[in-house]
Amino acid sequence: QSVVTQPPSASGTPGQKVTISCSGSRSNIGSNFVYWYQQLPGAAPKLLIYNNDERPSGVPDRFSGSKSGTSASLAISGLRSEDEADYHCATWDDSLTDLVFGGGTKLTVL
Amino acid sequence: QITLKESGPTVVKPTQTLTLTCTFSGFSLSTSGVGVGWIRQPPGKALEWLALIYWDDDKRFSPSLKSRLTITKDTSKNHVVLTMTNMDPVDTATYYCVHRQTEKDHRFNNWGQGTLVTVSS
Repeated sequence: QSVVTQPPSASGTPGQKVTISCSGSRSNIGSNFVYWYQQLPGAAPKLLIYNNDERPSGVPDRFSGSKSGTSASLAISGLRSEDEADYHCATWDDSLTDLVFGGGTKLTVL
Repeated sequence: QITLKESGPTVVKPTQTLTLTCTFSGFSLSTSGVGVGWIRQPPGKALEWLALIYWDDDKRFSPSLKSRLTITKDTSKNHVVLTMTNMDPVDTATYYCVHRQTEKDHRFNNWGQGTLVTVSS
């Protein structure tokens, strides 16, 4: 059981906006940056968002990250079929002195 | 272009030691701030960070696995090697080699394709 929690699944239709949450505590999300990774089917994860809300070059601005208190969110606007993937949040935990990942959220584009 | 590739056995027996090699290109592990590490993902489960080695040979380990892990680098060969002792079937996972561009935060900028390791007698 991870110390940061994500919903196991999310869904949306093309063009919609979908939000995926990542919930933690003061020792992890509350004190540290949050990162998001996209894992397409059968592929390795790819960095999507870093330092809560920064996008690496090449990541479309349809993807955005935010953080408030001990929770973070990944928003995907203008949903496309190619966005169907697993999305993982990650952060450092000061109490565990460990990098922790959420359980991952499987996004389905209906 | 940065690439990382994992190599090693696909099957190991319980109690054996796993040795994985990451061969990378497109960056140097002698550049200040750069790190190379390992993350694994059991089938259908969450990602789990294992270990990281920095340009200055600083090493970091997941506390839960620290006693079983060793990580070393060969900067001249662009290799990083991970060893994990006393393998168990629960260690069956895809093991990813990852690149960290800066020690100022915890992002992993680039990932290898991963290698599936099965622990079975």
